[in-house]
Amino acid sequence: NAGVTQTPKFQVLKTGQSMTLQCAQDMNHNSMYWYRQDPGMGLRLIYYSASEGTTDKGEVPNGYNVSRLNKREFSLRLESAAPSQTSVYFCASSENVPTGELFFGEGSRLTVL
Amino acid sequence: DAKTTQPPSMDCAEGRAANLPCNHSTISGNEYVYWYRQIHSQGPQYIIHGLKNNETNEMASLIITEDRKSSTLILPHATLRDTAVYYCIVRVAGAAGNKLTFGGGTRVLVKP
Repeated sequence: NAGVTQTPKFQVLKTGQSMTLQCAQDMNHNSMYWYRQDPGMGLRLIYYSASEGTTDKGEVPNGYNVSRLNKREFSLRLESAAPSQTSVYFCASSENVPTGELFFGEGSRLTVL
Repeated sequence: DAKTTQPPSMDCAEGRAANLPCNHSTISGNEYVYWYRQIHSQGPQYIIHGLKNNETNEMASLIITEDRKSSTLILPHATLRDTAVYYCIVRVAGAAGNKLTFGGGTRVLVKP
């Protein structure tokens, strides 16, 4: 059982380049999330999707777009990468029950030069 | 969601119980207390959650005070693999897709 799978695990970009982080879950969860974690800091929510076809902004959505492709997949796109977006990105998923725990992927480490 | 306060770091001896405190004095009646941990730079891992009763599972125990303004996560027999950052989070269960707001957490170092 793979759980939550993120690709790529590592990426280096130049300022202004674009890229998409991919996330897939095989637990049939309705909700999916994208977080970022800067060095020495806690996680901050970028976007989330409570169900297929819906997306909502989190704490730090500027500079990002998301797409809930289907129930399994939730992608995060950086249209014009900036050095401030250098971070570790985590995808998570959960059931849509009141106390559903979040399951996290292993993270994608992005460096923007 | 109510704000939580945790000590930034603490040490614990291997084999002893680790007691991690969390203050959430502005918690509302319908808000749950959740604990997650993050080992090194892996994705966070769910530990336990509770509303007002004490809870126990195979990983830990959660003790919530009667006024619900604080709680303690107990790792009964800490091992070196329990070295991690532990996050205490308070939120309304089921609100807007179960999203969680992480604070700074407590960095726990288990020493031999």
